[in-house]
Amino acid sequence: GAGVSQTPSNKVTEKGKYVELRCDPISGHTALYWYRQSLGQGPEFLIYFQGTGAADDSGLPNDRFFAVRPEGSVSTLKIQRTERGDSAVYLCASSSSAGTSEAFFGQGTRLTVV
Amino acid sequence: DQQVKQNSPSLSVQEGRISILNCDYTNSMFDYFLWYKKYPAEGPTFLISISSIKDKNEDGRFTVFLNKSAKHLSLHIVPSQPGDSAVYFCAARLVNTDKLIFGTGTRLQVFP
Repeated sequence: GAGVSQTPSNKVTEKGKYVELRCDPISGHTALYWYRQSLGQGPEFLIYFQGTGAADDSGLPNDRFFAVRPEGSVSTLKIQRTERGDSAVYLCASSSSAGTSEAFFGQGTRLTVV
Repeated sequence: DQQVKQNSPSLSVQEGRISILNCDYTNSMFDYFLWYKKYPAEGPTFLISISSIKDKNEDGRFTVFLNKSAKHLSLHIVPSQPGDSAVYFCAARLVNTDKLIFGTGTRLQVFP
């Protein structure tokens, strides 16, 4: 597709369960970012990939959160032992190279932990 | 601590008039400032950016002004149109990183 695609668009899960959120970046984009947006807040940085490697994972809140990008394209954000406080919209963005000021966002995955 | 602040949660402007959205920051280690626009159920859309070495950047109806001494930037939209109604986020990029720090957003409503 032409834009960043995120699946699923909505996910409801029970507290304690494991979830995976998927991001398909724009074709050819080497940089990929994950952000989390809670209600009434701006997006909060989680992790950034340049190619296959995580260049900066300083925003991951704890070790329950992990992200991979094995082939330098699609990325998966994995959350173990979900908690109600993990409920948020998870946004993925990509850009053509590191250091560019413009990143293109997907529509997000709304995660609700009940 | 909130490094990027948007102190006005909402703004209402008449169509055809100027909309001015404001943003303040506390960290001097930002090299780029960006504005994103967000419609409900969509991801943020890039609007305009400015390098920290500039004080103005213009793109059509959108102009961003940067006042480094005051650590303040603003987005001017003129003339405002109903389709501009959205939430606007200010963001700043930390030097030597690709990490964006976002403000909490300002909801702009442009009425006829």
